[in-house]
Amino acid sequence: ETGVTQTPRHLVMGMTNKKSLKCEQHLGHNAMYWYKQSAKKPLELMFVYNFKEQTENNSVPSRFSPECPNSSHLFLHLHTLQPEDSALYLCASSHPGRQREKLFFGSGTQLSVL
Amino acid sequence: EDQVTQSPEALRLQEGESSSLNCSYTVSGLRGLFWYRQDPGKGPEFLFTLYSAGEEKEKERLKATLTKKESFLHITAPKPEDSATYLCAVQAQGGSEKLVFGKGTKLTVNP
Repeated sequence: ETGVTQTPRHLVMGMTNKKSLKCEQHLGHNAMYWYKQSAKKPLELMFVYNFKEQTENNSVPSRFSPECPNSSHLFLHLHTLQPEDSALYLCASSHPGRQREKLFFGSGTQLSVL
Repeated sequence: EDQVTQSPEALRLQEGESSSLNCSYTVSGLRGLFWYRQDPGKGPEFLFTLYSAGEEKEKERLKATLTKKESFLHITAPKPEDSATYLCAVQAQGGSEKLVFGKGTKLTVNP
């Protein structure tokens, strides 16, 4: 158990559905991240939040909409996704300062878009 | 563009058979190189950070080393529980917090 909890673990949705992924951490971290892990591809950074403010958006399509209401919670709202968006979506958090590079990952949400 | 290439893609070892995993990188000024371990159905777990050429870090049967172009993860006398995918990532100097990951090496250690 890393201290980063993601729900749901598995999600199947149609292209016209709207769903949300949730991430929660109680490690006292102030930075939170969304990563995408597709089969046969490297982990890709999607978004970074520091102290609830979005500081990086790695050219992610607008059908992915992140929300960070506080330093402990992070959401990823999904709408009108495409089949190629099927992947493992990982949330991570980190400490401030130089330890920021040590990421604590959740177990991910395995998303299938039909 | 920052890039990370890991080799081999997959490696099968017998228990006790030592070996090394390679991570080659190109980056516009290295801020740090990271090794993570990922078990099936789980997120990556942090192992090491290396910051400068010549640096080495050890943890149990694992030892990570760094040169100006590549990093090695040496596994000494591996056990079946070391079976996992090992991921390498780099972070460039500058304001971005982005880690650029390689595709990983899937290690299987047979008893």
